[in-house]
Order: sequence, then C-alpha cells, then structure tokens
Amino acid sequence: GQNIDQPTEMTATEGAIVQINCTYQTSGFNGLFWYQQHAGEAPTFLSYNVLDGLEEKGRFSSFLSRSKGYSYLLLKELQMKDSASYLCAVRRADSWGKLQFGAGTQVVVTP
Amino acid sequence: DTAVSQTPKYLVTQMGNDKSIKCEQNLGHDTMYWYKQDSKKFLKIMFSYNNKELIINETVPNRFSPKSPDKAHLNLHINSLELGDSAVYFCASSLEGIGADPIRSQYFGPGTRLLVL
Repeated sequence: GQNIDQPTEMTATEGAIVQINCTYQTSGFNGLFWYQQHAGEAPTFLSYNVLDGLEEKGRFSSFLSRSKGYSYLLLKELQMKDSASYLCAVRRADSWGKLQFGAGTQVVVTP
Repeated sequence: DTAVSQTPKYLVTQMGNDKSIKCEQNLGHDTMYWYKQDSKKFLKIMFSYNNKELIINETVPNRFSPKSPDKAHLNLHINSLELGDSAVYFCASSLEGIGADPIRSQYFGPGTRLLVL
C-alpha cells in the first residue's frame, strides 16, 4: 500500500515563500506529481519528479528524494491567486497510470 | 476547447434512486479514470479503463458500474444511491500507451457534485 502525508493547512503572506512537504511510503515508485486545486474546480497538473533533485518551473519548484520518500513543492513570490489546495500524488511502477493522492494542503495567502 | 467534460455538473437526488454521470475527452488519450472526492477533499481513484478495458477496480460497492463505449467516453452508473455517495466525482484521462510522454500527467474534468438526500 501507500501512505502519503502532507500538512493540512499553511498560511503565508503575499510575496512570501511557502514550502509544502510530502512524505510517502510505496513499493515500486514511478513518479511523484503535484496538482493544484482551487475551491470548486478540478485539479490541474503543476509538476512531476521521477529522479532525485529539483525541477523548476517559474515561481513553482518541486524537489524529490527517493531514498527518503520525500518531496516538497516550493511556491515563491506568493500571489493571492495561489490560495488553493495542493495535492501530492505518487505513481507506482506496477499500476497502469494509477495515482495515489495525499489529502492535500490548503494554502491560504493573506494580504 | 473542452479537454475533459462531464455531465451533469450538479446532481441532487433522493436516496434509492439510480443515476448516471457521463464523461468525454477529446485529447486522444487511451486511459480514463473515475475519482471520488469526499467532504474532506480526499481524492480517491475508483476505476480506470484503457482502450475500453477495465484495468483498475478499487474496492468500490458493486452499485457503481462504469461503462466505456469507446476510448473517448467513460460513464458511471450508480444504483440505489445512499447518503454516503454524496461527493464530487471527477473524471480524468491520460495517455499511457504508445506515444505517451514520460510524464503521462492526468487531465481532470470539472467534476460532478452529487448530493443524495
């Protein structure tokens, strides 16, 4: 099975940086995804890591350490529109496309 | 252009009724999924079809029956609806087979908000 843990909620001010951690336990790891979900909307793809290291995409970066079963999503220069839930999801090598999601981290950006 | 579409967007019904939710994708993907997101926002996979074949069937009551008439459509029929079925149901799709890029991210539909009274 898989256990995916991430904090329930984080609050930060506009312009600041927030780091959302995700730890997982799985057999046959085949990639970790971060999705963003605004209230009442569908999840949208943000980033993907399958090898150790940092992937940078504009204001968002994602890091992976496979040996530690650990990832983080870094949001820089926070904007009000970044207020959303951020979902960590793990894909296993032995399952066709199946993603196991964490419960999500609600990020609240304040003025 | 709509990538993954679902109908209806909202569904309010009485306990015991039977209802269906439809999903269509125009991305040329070969794999489609149904997820349930409960009130705690936990997104959990229910079913997955690849080219009309069922490949993932999580522990879901047999009141839930998916049907895939072709690889662009995946419908979900629910019999004898119960209060606990109230949730948001998301359809998603991805390209997993030949031609897929290494990332193979899933694209989600807008969701169907089901409320059972």
